[in-house]
Amino acid sequence: EVQLVESGGGLVQPGGSLRLSCAASGFTFSSYWMSWVRQAPGKGLEWVANIKQDGSEKYYVDSVKGRFTISRDNAKNSLYLQMNSLRAEDTAVYYCARDPGSSWPLDYWGQGTLVTVSS
Amino acid sequence: SYELTQPLSVSVALGQTARITCGGNNIGSKNVHWYQQKPGQAPVLVIYRDSNRPSGIPERFSGSNSGNTATLTISRAQAGDEADYYCQVWDSSTASGVFGGGTKLTVL
Repeated sequence: EVQLVESGGGLVQPGGSLRLSCAASGFTFSSYWMSWVRQAPGKGLEWVANIKQDGSEKYYVDSVKGRFTISRDNAKNSLYLQMNSLRAEDTAVYYCARDPGSSWPLDYWGQGTLVTVSS
Repeated sequence: SYELTQPLSVSVALGQTARITCGGNNIGSKNVHWYQQKPGQAPVLVIYRDSNRPSGIPERFSGSNSGNTATLTISRAQAGDEADYYCQVWDSSTASGVFGGGTKLTVL
Protein backbone atom coordinates (compact mmCIF):
# COMPACT_ATOMS: atom_id res chain seq x y z
CA GLU A 1 0.00 0.00 0.00
CA VAL A 2 1.36 3.39 -1.01
CA GLN A 3 1.75 5.71 1.95
CA LEU A 4 2.96 9.29 2.11
CA VAL A 5 3.29 10.93 5.52
CA GLU A 6 4.19 14.60 5.83
CA SER A 7 5.68 16.20 8.91
CA GLY A 8 7.43 19.37 9.98
CA GLY A 9 4.61 21.88 9.79
CA GLY A 10 3.92 24.42 12.49
CA LEU A 11 3.77 28.08 13.40
CA VAL A 12 6.61 30.28 12.16
CA GLN A 13 7.13 34.02 12.10
CA PRO A 14 7.32 35.96 8.84
CA GLY A 15 10.83 35.77 7.45
CA GLY A 16 11.46 32.49 9.21
CA SER A 17 12.29 29.04 7.90
CA LEU A 18 10.78 25.61 8.09
CA ARG A 19 11.66 22.22 6.62
CA LEU A 20 8.92 19.81 5.65
CA SER A 21 9.48 16.10 5.25
CA CYS A 22 7.51 13.40 3.49
CA ALA A 23 8.14 9.74 4.30
CA ALA A 24 7.22 7.38 1.49
CA SER A 25 6.50 3.67 1.62
CA GLY A 26 4.78 0.96 -0.37
CA PHE A 27 6.44 1.75 -3.70
CA THR A 28 9.90 2.17 -5.22
CA PHE A 29 10.48 5.79 -4.22
CA SER A 30 13.54 6.23 -6.42
CA SER A 31 11.50 5.45 -9.54
CA TYR A 32 9.14 8.40 -9.28
CA TRP A 33 9.12 12.13 -9.56
CA MET A 34 7.62 13.70 -6.44
CA SER A 35 5.64 16.92 -5.99
CA TRP A 36 4.59 19.32 -3.27
CA VAL A 37 1.15 20.91 -3.53
CA ARG A 38 -0.32 23.43 -1.08
CA GLN A 39 -3.74 24.68 -0.15
CA ALA A 40 -4.29 27.94 1.68
CA PRO A 41 -7.19 27.95 4.17
CA GLY A 42 -10.47 27.96 2.27
CA LYS A 43 -8.69 28.16 -1.09
CA GLY A 44 -7.87 25.88 -3.97
CA LEU A 45 -4.92 23.66 -4.73
CA GLU A 46 -1.62 25.15 -5.88
CA TRP A 47 1.24 23.10 -7.26
CA VAL A 48 4.47 24.20 -5.58
CA ALA A 49 7.40 22.15 -6.86
CA ASN A 50 8.55 18.82 -8.15
CA ILE A 51 11.76 16.83 -8.40
CA LYS A 52 13.02 14.15 -10.74
CA GLN A 53 13.85 10.65 -9.58
CA ASP A 54 17.57 11.34 -9.13
CA GLY A 55 17.16 14.96 -8.03
CA SER A 56 18.77 16.30 -11.20
CA GLU A 57 15.74 18.36 -12.23
CA LYS A 58 13.64 20.58 -10.01
CA TYR A 59 10.83 22.95 -10.91
CA TYR A 60 8.99 25.56 -8.88
CA VAL A 61 5.98 27.82 -9.08
CA ASP A 62 7.10 31.41 -9.58
CA SER A 63 5.89 32.57 -6.16
CA VAL A 64 8.38 30.36 -4.29
CA LYS A 65 11.39 30.49 -6.60
CA GLY A 66 14.50 31.53 -4.70
CA ARG A 67 12.86 30.88 -1.33
CA PHE A 68 11.89 27.19 -1.37
CA THR A 69 14.10 24.22 -2.18
CA ILE A 70 12.83 20.75 -2.93
CA SER A 71 15.12 17.79 -2.32
CA ARG A 72 15.02 14.06 -1.75
CA ASP A 73 16.96 11.25 -0.14
CA ASN A 74 16.27 8.02 -2.01
CA ALA A 75 18.16 5.97 0.57
CA LYS A 76 15.69 7.18 3.20
CA ASN A 77 12.63 7.19 0.92
CA SER A 78 12.09 10.80 1.88
CA LEU A 79 11.12 14.04 0.20
CA TYR A 80 11.82 17.47 1.65
CA LEU A 81 10.80 21.08 1.20
CA GLN A 82 13.06 23.70 2.71
CA MET A 83 11.10 26.92 3.05
CA ASN A 84 12.95 30.17 3.74
CA SER A 85 11.86 33.81 3.93
CA LEU A 86 8.34 32.69 4.73
CA ARG A 87 5.45 35.06 4.15
CA ALA A 88 1.91 35.16 5.45
CA GLU A 89 0.70 34.04 2.02
CA ASP A 90 2.67 30.80 2.40
CA THR A 91 0.22 29.74 5.11
CA ALA A 92 -1.32 26.52 3.84
CA VAL A 93 -1.63 22.79 4.18
CA TYR A 94 1.28 21.27 2.29
CA TYR A 95 0.78 17.92 0.60
CA CYS A 96 3.38 15.67 -0.92
CA ALA A 97 2.24 13.62 -3.87
CA ARG A 98 3.63 10.88 -6.04
CA ASP A 99 4.29 12.24 -9.50
CA PRO A 100 4.67 9.61 -12.25
CA GLY A 101 5.98 12.28 -14.59
CA SER A 102 4.89 14.65 -17.32
CA SER A 103 1.34 14.13 -18.61
CA TRP A 104 0.52 11.75 -15.76
CA PRO A 105 -1.49 12.69 -12.66
CA LEU A 106 -0.50 13.01 -9.03
CA ASP A 107 -1.78 9.58 -8.18
CA TYR A 108 -1.16 9.32 -4.42
CA TRP A 109 -1.25 12.10 -1.83
CA GLY A 110 -0.31 12.39 1.81
CA GLN A 111 -2.67 13.82 4.41
CA GLY A 112 -0.83 17.11 4.54
CA THR A 113 0.93 19.23 7.14
CA LEU A 114 -0.18 22.72 8.15
CA VAL A 115 2.22 25.63 7.93
CA THR A 116 1.13 28.87 9.57
CA VAL A 117 3.15 32.02 9.02
CA SER A 118 2.18 34.62 11.55
CA SER A 119 3.67 36.92 14.15
CA SER B 1 1.46 31.05 -17.72
CA TYR B 2 -1.30 28.59 -18.50
CA GLU B 3 -4.64 29.09 -16.77
CA LEU B 4 -7.58 26.78 -16.08
CA THR B 5 -11.07 28.12 -15.43
CA GLN B 6 -13.74 26.24 -13.49
CA PRO B 7 -17.18 27.34 -12.30
CA LEU B 8 -17.21 28.09 -8.59
CA SER B 9 -20.19 25.85 -7.97
CA VAL B 10 -22.44 23.28 -9.62
CA SER B 11 -25.66 21.88 -8.24
CA VAL B 12 -27.32 18.63 -9.22
CA ALA B 13 -30.44 16.81 -8.09
CA LEU B 14 -29.96 13.46 -6.45
CA GLY B 15 -29.73 10.77 -9.11
CA GLN B 16 -29.21 13.21 -11.97
CA THR B 17 -26.10 14.01 -14.01
CA ALA B 18 -23.59 16.68 -13.02
CA ARG B 19 -21.14 18.21 -15.45
CA ILE B 20 -18.15 20.22 -14.28
CA THR B 21 -16.17 22.09 -16.90
CA CYS B 22 -12.53 23.13 -17.04
CA GLY B 23 -11.61 25.73 -19.61
CA GLY B 24 -8.15 26.44 -21.00
CA ASN B 25 -6.54 27.56 -24.23
CA ASN B 26 -6.48 24.50 -26.52
CA ILE B 27 -6.84 22.26 -23.48
CA GLY B 28 -7.82 19.48 -25.85
CA SER B 29 -4.13 19.11 -26.70
CA LYS B 30 -3.24 18.42 -23.08
CA ASN B 31 -3.86 15.54 -20.70
CA VAL B 32 -6.39 16.59 -18.06
CA HIS B 33 -6.68 15.04 -14.63
CA TRP B 34 -9.49 15.45 -12.11
CA TYR B 35 -9.35 15.27 -8.32
CA GLN B 36 -12.08 15.05 -5.72
CA GLN B 37 -11.55 16.64 -2.32
CA LYS B 38 -13.90 16.28 0.60
CA PRO B 39 -13.66 18.60 3.65
CA GLY B 40 -10.63 17.89 5.80
CA GLN B 41 -9.28 15.26 3.43
CA ALA B 42 -6.53 15.03 0.87
CA PRO B 43 -7.45 15.12 -2.82
CA VAL B 44 -8.24 11.85 -4.54
CA LEU B 45 -7.67 11.20 -8.23
CA VAL B 46 -10.95 10.36 -9.99
CA ILE B 47 -10.09 10.76 -13.69
CA TYR B 48 -6.69 10.79 -15.37
CA ARG B 49 -5.60 11.55 -18.91
CA ASP B 50 -8.98 13.00 -19.87
CA SER B 51 -11.17 9.96 -19.50
CA ASN B 52 -9.52 7.15 -17.55
CA ARG B 53 -10.73 5.98 -14.15
CA PRO B 54 -8.32 4.73 -11.49
CA SER B 55 -9.20 1.45 -9.86
CA GLY B 56 -11.87 1.87 -7.22
CA ILE B 57 -13.51 4.89 -8.84
CA PRO B 58 -17.14 4.19 -9.82
CA GLU B 59 -18.10 4.01 -13.48
CA ARG B 60 -20.46 6.92 -12.77
CA PHE B 61 -17.40 9.17 -13.11
CA SER B 62 -16.31 9.94 -16.66
CA GLY B 63 -14.36 12.59 -18.49
CA SER B 64 -13.92 14.16 -21.89
CA ASN B 65 -11.65 16.77 -23.39
CA SER B 66 -11.85 18.67 -26.65
CA GLY B 67 -11.08 22.12 -27.98
CA ASN B 68 -10.95 24.58 -25.12
CA THR B 69 -13.00 22.62 -22.59
CA ALA B 70 -12.56 19.48 -20.52
CA THR B 71 -15.57 18.04 -18.71
CA LEU B 72 -16.01 15.81 -15.70
CA THR B 73 -19.36 14.04 -15.75
CA ILE B 74 -20.88 12.40 -12.71
CA SER B 75 -23.90 10.25 -13.51
CA ARG B 76 -26.56 9.25 -11.00
CA ALA B 77 -25.19 11.70 -8.51
CA GLN B 78 -25.15 10.61 -4.88
CA ALA B 79 -24.94 12.55 -1.66
CA GLY B 80 -21.46 11.14 -1.18
CA ASP B 81 -20.31 12.89 -4.36
CA GLU B 82 -20.57 16.29 -2.68
CA ALA B 83 -17.05 17.65 -2.73
CA ASP B 84 -14.71 20.11 -4.38
CA TYR B 85 -13.43 19.02 -7.77
CA TYR B 86 -10.21 20.25 -9.37
CA CYS B 87 -8.88 19.84 -12.88
CA GLN B 88 -5.14 19.76 -13.45
CA VAL B 89 -2.70 19.77 -16.36
CA TRP B 90 1.05 20.02 -16.81
CA ASP B 91 2.24 23.17 -18.56
CA SER B 92 5.17 22.04 -20.67
CA SER B 93 6.24 25.61 -21.42
CA THR B 94 7.03 26.26 -17.76
CA ALA B 95 7.48 22.65 -16.62
CA SER B 96 4.94 23.23 -13.90
CA GLY B 97 1.67 21.85 -12.66
CA VAL B 98 -1.49 23.91 -13.02
CA PHE B 99 -4.76 23.46 -11.15
CA GLY B 100 -8.12 24.94 -11.89
CA GLY B 101 -9.69 27.03 -9.15
CA GLY B 102 -11.99 24.22 -8.09
CA THR B 103 -15.73 23.60 -8.28
CA LYS B 104 -17.94 22.87 -5.31
CA LEU B 105 -20.50 20.22 -6.20
CA THR B 106 -23.76 20.28 -4.26
CA VAL B 107 -26.20 17.37 -4.50
CA LEU B 108 -29.73 18.55 -3.80
